[in-house]
Amino acid sequence: KQEVTQIPAALSVPEGENLVLNCSFTDSAIYNLQWFRQDPGKGLTSLLLIQSSQREQTSGRLNASLDKSSGRSTLYIAASQPGDSATYLCAVTGRDGNKLVFGAGTILRVKS
Amino acid sequence: DAGITQSPRHKVTETGTPVTLRCHQTENHRYMYWYRQDPGHGLRLIHYSYGVKDTDKGEVSDGYSVSRSKTEDFLLTLESATSSQTSVYFCAISEGQGGVDTQYFGPGTRLTVL
Repeated sequence: KQEVTQIPAALSVPEGENLVLNCSFTDSAIYNLQWFRQDPGKGLTSLLLIQSSQREQTSGRLNASLDKSSGRSTLYIAASQPGDSATYLCAVTGRDGNKLVFGAGTILRVKS
Repeated sequence: DAGITQSPRHKVTETGTPVTLRCHQTENHRYMYWYRQDPGHGLRLIHYSYGVKDTDKGEVSDGYSVSRSKTEDFLLTLESATSSQTSVYFCAISEGQGGVDTQYFGPGTRLTVL
């Protein structure tokens, strides 16, 4: 059974810092990996999707990497801003290409 | 927003009563999903649909049933609600398979079972 773990569970940083969120998964036979953002009381918003054949994806100040063989992904946020404060979740899709398995998330707070 | 609405947004009910949550989309996407979110567990898939009248179970399907009679609506039913089903429920949609295409999420329904 696939299990996804996110470390740290919570993170507080001053504005302007670069930061890294970590995600690990137990079964390396994944179809792809996605990073989502969730604001309090809201639904999820997809940030980046990395196919299993890819090593990384970039969108603005966000960069996500994938090392499938070691079962790890990182989300790098450059020059953090208070507006980046949210919960960040990673999710992997298994061989069936359909069912997402989520981690519990990292709660990020960026202080101004 | 991806054109997804959920109703009701909040509901309080008593143990043993039936509850139906509705997800409505305006995108004409083929795939629809129901998740529940609990502290420390992230989101867990309950059921999903890959077309009208086509559904399949997810990770935590016990105690839940679903129906999809129209492309735009996906209903989640708790036949006899229990306190362990107190949670926030999210609906999601995707054009293709959820692993290939991005999933778009609704705003969620907060359900409390007393």
